Order: sequence, then C-alpha cells, then structure tokens
Amino acid sequence: TQLLEQSPQFLSIQEGENLTVYCNSSSVFSSLQWYRQEPGEGPVLLVTVVTGGEVKKLKRLTFQFGDARKDSSLHITAAQPGDTGLYLCAGGSGGSQGNLIFGKGTKLSVKP
Amino acid sequence: NAGVTQTPKFQVLKTGQSMTLQCAQDMNHEYMSWYRQDPGMGLRLIHYSVGAGITDQGEVPNGYNVSRSTTEDFPLRLLSAAPSQTSVYFCASSPRFSAGGEQFFGPGTRLTVL
Repeated sequence: TQLLEQSPQFLSIQEGENLTVYCNSSSVFSSLQWYRQEPGEGPVLLVTVVTGGEVKKLKRLTFQFGDARKDSSLHITAAQPGDTGLYLCAGGSGGSQGNLIFGKGTKLSVKP
Repeated sequence: NAGVTQTPKFQVLKTGQSMTLQCAQDMNHEYMSWYRQDPGMGLRLIHYSVGAGITDQGEVPNGYNVSRSTTEDFPLRLLSAAPSQTSVYFCASSPRFSAGGEQFFGPGTRLTVL
C-alpha cells in the first residue's frame, strides 16, 4: 500500500517567516501534486511535479520533487495571513487513471 | 463553467436512513471520484469512474454505491447510514488524459449521521 507522510501536521507562524512542509513516501510516484484547502471548501490544485529533481515556483511558493520521486517539499517565503489553510500533497501512481494517494495534510496558520 | 457542483451542502440523517449525494461537472471530464475527509485521516477514495457506465471501488467503498449513467453526473448513495459515515464528502473530476491526473474538487457535502 502506498502511503504519503506529511510533516509537520500543524504549523503556526508569524507573518513574514519562512516555512517548509514535507511529503515523504517509501514508494515511487509518477507525479506529485500539492493542493490548498480553505475551511468549508474543496482542495484547489497549486502545482503538479512529474520529473525527479523538478523545482517549480509559484510567487512565494517553491515546490520540489525528490530525485527518486519518493518525496516532495513546499517552501513558503515571507508567509502572509492569506497563506493560512490546509496543504495536502497527493501522489499519482500512473496506474488507474486519475487515482491519487493523499497525505493527511499540514494545517498552516499565519498570524499577522 | 460551474465546474464541479455538489448538493446538498449540509445533511443530517438518522441511523438506517438512505440518501443520495449529488455531483455534477460541466467540463466534459471522463474521470470522476468520491472522497471522504475525516479529521486526521486526510482524503480517502470511496469510488471512482473512468467513464460513463464504468465504476470501481476505492480504498473505503463499504456502505456506498455509485453509478455513472452520463459523463456529467456521478451520484453517491448511502444505503443505510451509520454514525461512522459522518464525514465531509468531496466529489472530484479530471480529464482522462490530463498529465499528472490533476483533479478539480467540488465544495463538499457535510454529512452527520445521528
């Protein structure tokens, strides 16, 4: 069974601080996605990485896929209160079309 | 486009009652799925469909039925509700040949079973 472990589970920081969220597995994934979910809403895709070692940047967010395609990280620079939410990583196995394995999420709170 | 829509937004059931959670998408996506989200458990796949007339079980299918008669609609049926089915349910869709299998989620249905 493929599993994705996310850490930390909870993170509370002050505005302007930097942070990194990790997503680790013992399994290889064909792709890795990061979603952000706000209270009362469904997850929204932030980025998809598909190549080992790939780095993608989305404004203050930097996403990295591990060389072996077993892990990923999300780094936020100068966090803002608007970054508050639940961050979920999800791995695609490339098997059944569209099936994803989700991590349990990191709940981020950025205080002004 | 409305994207993925779900109804109802909230529902309270008594143990043993049945109900159907509705899901529709207007993006002509072939793949649709149902997840449940529980505190500390993340999103777990209940059932999925790769096209009209084709459905399959996910990680936690027991107590749920699905059907896919059209590309647009993918209802989830609870046959005899149990308190363990109290959860937030999300429907999602994706294009069949989308690189990385990116999924588009609906706003969710919050279900409480008493």
